[in-house]
Amino acid sequence: EIVLTQSPATLSLSPGERTTLSCRASHSVSSYLAWYQQTPGQAPRLLIYDASNRATGIPARFSGSGSGTDFTLTISSLEPEDFAVYYCQQRGDWPITFGQGTRLEIK
Amino acid sequence: EVQLVESGGGLVQPGGSLRLSCAASGFSFSTYWMHWVRQVPGKGLVWVSRIRNDGSTTGYADSVKGRFTISRDNAENTLYLQMNSLRVEDTAVYYCVRDSSGYYRFDSWGQGTLVTVSS
Repeated sequence: EIVLTQSPATLSLSPGERTTLSCRASHSVSSYLAWYQQTPGQAPRLLIYDASNRATGIPARFSGSGSGTDFTLTISSLEPEDFAVYYCQQRGDWPITFGQGTRLEIK
Repeated sequence: EVQLVESGGGLVQPGGSLRLSCAASGFSFSTYWMHWVRQVPGKGLVWVSRIRNDGSTTGYADSVKGRFTISRDNAENTLYLQMNSLRVEDTAVYYCVRDSSGYYRFDSWGQGTLVTVSS
């Protein structure tokens, strides 16, 4: 099973700042890496699929990059609604797995 | 608008059974693979099960294999998860999820239904 390790576990930032979240896979997943956002009490929402493709309706301030084992999610300028938990997910090998999440909180 | 509405969760004793349902609307249900993903409150996401768009193929996480059964009724636009021999560790919010690629790309999620297994 591929283990996805997200870092940092928690990030405290202010609106308007730029941030980069990391997801590292224990083995290569090619480009089959997605990012999801989950706000309290809500279901996850697909942000990025296949490492760098924004999902439908996702603002351009979200971008993804990486391949193989190292991936990043960048938010260019934080909006108040962006403070949430972010999960990465790989579909490059079965069983598909999720990272443990990065909590982005308001400083 | 895509809508996925789960129901059927609740409190059940260890060893008991529950059947979850997910009513789908706003898209052509019969053309999409569907999944169940669960989340222990405050914890991470775990994939549980999947079913092909025509219902011909299913798959399960090792932790639920032999106890859970996924099925669908394309005429009723409904996804099901029959859960038997429930364990305390099955306690979680269960999400119904649409797959946009046929291979684990989760593009739409329901709001979830809470299953609590406790004596």
